[in-house]
Amino acid sequence: GAVVSQHPSRVICKSGTSVKIECRSLDFQATTMFWYRQFPKQSLMLMATSNEGSKATYEQGVEKDKFLINHASLTLSTLTVTSAHPEDSSFYICSANRESTYEQYFGPGTRLTVT
Amino acid sequence: QKEVEQNSGPLSVPEGAIASLNCTYSDRGSQSFFWYRQYSGKSPELIMFIYSNGDKEDGRFTAQLNKASQYVSLLIRDSQPSDSATYLCAVNGRAGSQGNLIFGKGTKLSVKP
Repeated sequence: GAVVSQHPSRVICKSGTSVKIECRSLDFQATTMFWYRQFPKQSLMLMATSNEGSKATYEQGVEKDKFLINHASLTLSTLTVTSAHPEDSSFYICSANRESTYEQYFGPGTRLTVT
Repeated sequence: QKEVEQNSGPLSVPEGAIASLNCTYSDRGSQSFFWYRQYSGKSPELIMFIYSNGDKEDGRFTAQLNKASQYVSLLIRDSQPSDSATYLCAVNGRAGSQGNLIFGKGTKLSVKP
């Protein structure tokens, strides 16, 4: 149990375009999902906390208009990187809380390359 | 600012030895403690969690928690080269933080054949 999927696993896009990444909890309901970014050889950086049916809470320094988060159901959250630039190239990872616990389960990640 | 501290390593141990990974945290009110393993280029994987003082064993892994000292550790017995990875310690965040975890920067473990 506690499987989180993420799609796509890898995406290459041109500068100025938008990219949507999906995160799904497959065998449990996730009232809270998280979006992280990780640059090579660096630690995880929390971008935002997403709650089903409400606006996401963004960490300081993360542009909410650039990184649009939608948590439409108890099993799906999406992150859209708008007007992507090469500096947005990174490993984006979602995670989901098993309901009523602090246990966080990570998706496999999406490697974004902006050319 | 609540913090979780880990030695970045690398920690190098020979195959078959016990690897000991340590973590300290600053918030005395923390209640939930987690260890994640992250292979290079992959996402973190939850391997252990512990909520009570003492030891918790799962296969070759033992998590140890000492709330008085604000210290949590992970022991890996009979270390294998496949255990080579970065190990992340995580602690529950602020009250009302909706399940948020505070992660340490990780300790890189290298198990030499």
